[in-house]
Amino acid sequence: DTGVSQNPRHKITKRGQNVTFRCDPISEHNRLYWYRQTLGQGPEFLTYFQNEAQLEKSRLLSDRFSAERPKGSFSTLEIQRTEQGDSAMYLCASSYGVGQGINQPQHFGDGTRLSIL
Amino acid sequence: ILNVEQSPQSLHVQEGDSTNFTCSFPSSNFYALHWYRWETAKSPEALFVMTLNGDEKKKGRISATLNTKEGYSYLYIKGSQPEDSATYLCASAGGTSYGKLTFGQGTILTVHP
Repeated sequence: DTGVSQNPRHKITKRGQNVTFRCDPISEHNRLYWYRQTLGQGPEFLTYFQNEAQLEKSRLLSDRFSAERPKGSFSTLEIQRTEQGDSAMYLCASSYGVGQGINQPQHFGDGTRLSIL
Repeated sequence: ILNVEQSPQSLHVQEGDSTNFTCSFPSSNFYALHWYRWETAKSPEALFVMTLNGDEKKKGRISATLNTKEGYSYLYIKGSQPEDSATYLCASAGGTSYGKLTFGQGTILTVHP
């Protein structure tokens, strides 16, 4: 068990550029979550996959954000035409679950810190 | 309560003190309440997942209780140590969505030697 891995750890980019983050979950985990965390706030849900299916996407997520999880393994989160308000820590988490609800702990990666210049 | 709220926002204690934090969450459509510890420069670490009203869980010097009818959970740390310094997050699973956690803003604990 190597844990949840996120790359890159830090990303600095100019406003208007596209960025892509990668998350490698724990191998046996079927559920994968993306969260965004800004200073002084708790993590905010962005989207959720069960295997390769994206089952829920936050209403806060604009059309500039897209996430994929091909083959139900790693996931990517892309932000197009970045804006200064996108500056945040982007966290990925994974867990194993069956049925509805979340009664298993989520295992988090170290996050990708995005800074928009 | 519509959101998950934690208090206090921050806490400074001396080594050896015992302390506790509160998490308030929507009691309707409750499914589970999670507690995480997030140390600086590390990833959030799961402490407890609690589902039943009256649940009490313990891990070393840390324990938690759950009241689903009134929508609150307490986290207790007995004999705080400097290594307990971290942000403690609670998160509720439930409501209209079963695929996500709704986090509180966290309680920042600093334990002074």
